[in-house]
Amino acid sequence: DAGITQSPRHKVTETGTPVTLRCHQTENHRYMYWYRQDPGHGLRLIHYSYGVKDTDKGEVSDGYSVSRSKTEDFLLTLESATSSQTSVYFCAISESTGWTVGELFFGEGSRLTVL
Amino acid sequence: GESVGLHLPTLSVQEGDNSIINCAYSNSASDYFIWYKQESGKGPQFIIDIRSNMDKRQGQRVTVLLNKTVKHLSLQIAATQPGDSAVYFCAENITGRRALTFGSGTRLQVQP
Repeated sequence: DAGITQSPRHKVTETGTPVTLRCHQTENHRYMYWYRQDPGHGLRLIHYSYGVKDTDKGEVSDGYSVSRSKTEDFLLTLESATSSQTSVYFCAISESTGWTVGELFFGEGSRLTVL
Repeated sequence: GESVGLHLPTLSVQEGDNSIINCAYSNSASDYFIWYKQESGKGPQFIIDIRSNMDKRQGQRVTVLLNKTVKHLSLQIAATQPGDSAVYFCAENITGRRALTFGSGTRLQVQP
């Protein structure tokens, strides 16, 4: 299995509070991704990173920010959580070095509940 | 557990039968496709991939077929087993983009 660790795995928080999810990889892969998964929507891309300090938005980036200060860590921050951000969040990595992504390896997910 | 949706299309098959899961993709500029399997409480796992210059690729018990004319992808699972019960997603990579776009998934239920 690819070395991907997400933390926390479960979190319950209140509306308006900040939340940070962490993704840690031991594979030294260049690409890292944050997806969210909701019933009826499959996996939707929030943000991704193609290198240290290099990030880009996905299709559902509003309300989220990311940071990547080291190759191994990719942080997803909800500055002020809302109930619509209740979801399961998946981190993924790819060893692709070119412009087209290859296979993604996924973490086990982080379930976030915003009350 | 984490992930799977409540209102997914469901395919129910008998153990030992072959399964065919279909996916329509959206972008004619997509050049790479992957099928993922997701079991309850787990992250998606790679099954098989195919590039747009191919129309068929086989793995162990699985075959992916690509029809670019109608933008259709299918996953065939031979001799389906109870362990194949999961949600299956297709994903596409649009040329020049550096991320995968996922379909909404199909639930496969294998009856013993």
